[in-house]
Amino acid sequence: DTGVSQDPRHKITKRGQNVTFRCDPISEHNRLYWYRQTLGQGPEFLTYFQNEAQLEKSRLLSDRFSAERPKGSFSTLEIQRTEQGDSAMYLCASSPRREETQYFGPGTRLLVL
Amino acid sequence: AQSVTQLDSHVSVSEGTPVLLRCNYSSSYSPSLFWYVQHPNKGLQLLLKYTSAATLVKGINGFEAEFKKSETSFHLTKPSAHMSDAAEYFCVVSEGAGNNRKLIWGLGTSLAVNP
Repeated sequence: DTGVSQDPRHKITKRGQNVTFRCDPISEHNRLYWYRQTLGQGPEFLTYFQNEAQLEKSRLLSDRFSAERPKGSFSTLEIQRTEQGDSAMYLCASSPRREETQYFGPGTRLLVL
Repeated sequence: AQSVTQLDSHVSVSEGTPVLLRCNYSSSYSPSLFWYVQHPNKGLQLLLKYTSAATLVKGINGFEAEFKKSETSFHLTKPSAHMSDAAEYFCVVSEGAGNNRKLIWGLGTSLAVNP
């Protein structure tokens, strides 16, 4: 399967701990997006990369959140000092050049206790 | 700024009957529009997209949507619902240009299919 993959699929952590999620986009997709989705809501945009450059960050992305895409391929999203309000599904999507369609991974479900 | 309104938060149909999920958008220029589906505990899957070609767009699993500029609508339909269609459906509009393009999401419509 050459779709977007995310790891881990589920993460349970205690408040105050740091967590890191990984996203592997579809090969040769130059754009990569992170979203957060809470129960009963649509995805909320967090941040976006074109190749290795982070071009936009949402105001939702507090200083505790950081994302990287060092080689323009996979990306990581780190949450420091997690809070219960961070509990959500974290979705990654990628897009090829000159196409608007975003292709989503299965998501990482985070539960902060 | 562009926005998307999904007119129904929940729709319930019987298996074998037609499905209509309504979506209205606001846009200052020719939009690109999408429908995504999300099954329970699964990722988002693209159903279909409109990008200024034919106004009637056919997607996967027998779904289609019609872009009506005069009504600023992009309703999703299917002639005959199947149990496996039960899911959350999102109408999405693409905003911006070039590197600043991003997706604006509706709040979703939950489709229930009754036997």
